[in-house]
Amino acid sequence: EAQVTQNPRYLITVTGKKLTVTCSQNMNHEYMSWYRQDPGLGLRQIYYSMNVEVTDKGDVPEGYKVSRKEKRNFPLILESPSPNQTSLYFCASSFQDSYGYTFGSGTRLTVV
Amino acid sequence: ELKVEQNPLFLSMQEGKNYTIYCNYSTTSDRLYWYRQDPGKSLESLFVLLSNGAVKQEGRLMASLDTKARLSTLHITAAVHDLSATYFCAVVPNSGYALNFGKGTSLLVTP
Repeated sequence: EAQVTQNPRYLITVTGKKLTVTCSQNMNHEYMSWYRQDPGLGLRQIYYSMNVEVTDKGDVPEGYKVSRKEKRNFPLILESPSPNQTSLYFCASSFQDSYGYTFGSGTRLTVV
Repeated sequence: ELKVEQNPLFLSMQEGKNYTIYCNYSTTSDRLYWYRQDPGKSLESLFVLLSNGAVKQEGRLMASLDTKARLSTLHITAAVHDLSATYFCAVVPNSGYALNFGKGTSLLVTP
């Protein structure tokens, strides 16, 4: 089944403890992106990647890192999480943007 | 700064009625997407609109794109309860790759 898989689905962590949210797609998609969704602010792009080793900042990149060493994986790294990074995170991928993006199931992150 | 504005943000409508959701955007783009999100769920792709005048229909939903007016519409025909959800439009500017979302329209269809 073609899908974008995020892990974990839920995560509660403490301020400053490094964490990684994984994202993997099995569709050989070139484009991958990370978004966060917050009430009243909608969905905002954090980082995106056009292909292996090619990444760029989105609208809200501060406090996040990404890497794209393999085409299928695009992990989101929070080196020192803070409470304002509590949010619902989505990973998405697309073959070409002409086909739209397929979204993962989401990761609900709480930083205390 | 690219702006994507959806109207209305909240919509309560009776079953069987018709209504239109509007999506205005502030940049040159011929790539517009509509998504549906149920509470606690991910985003489901509804329509991909890639050219001026594009019109797509799926069941009771029909989406259109006017790139000159920078406007897309999502028309709901004879609404049913199962259509209750939040609907997002998203735009990719011709000059970039980022998917820019509107705030979403929360739709409630009541008997």
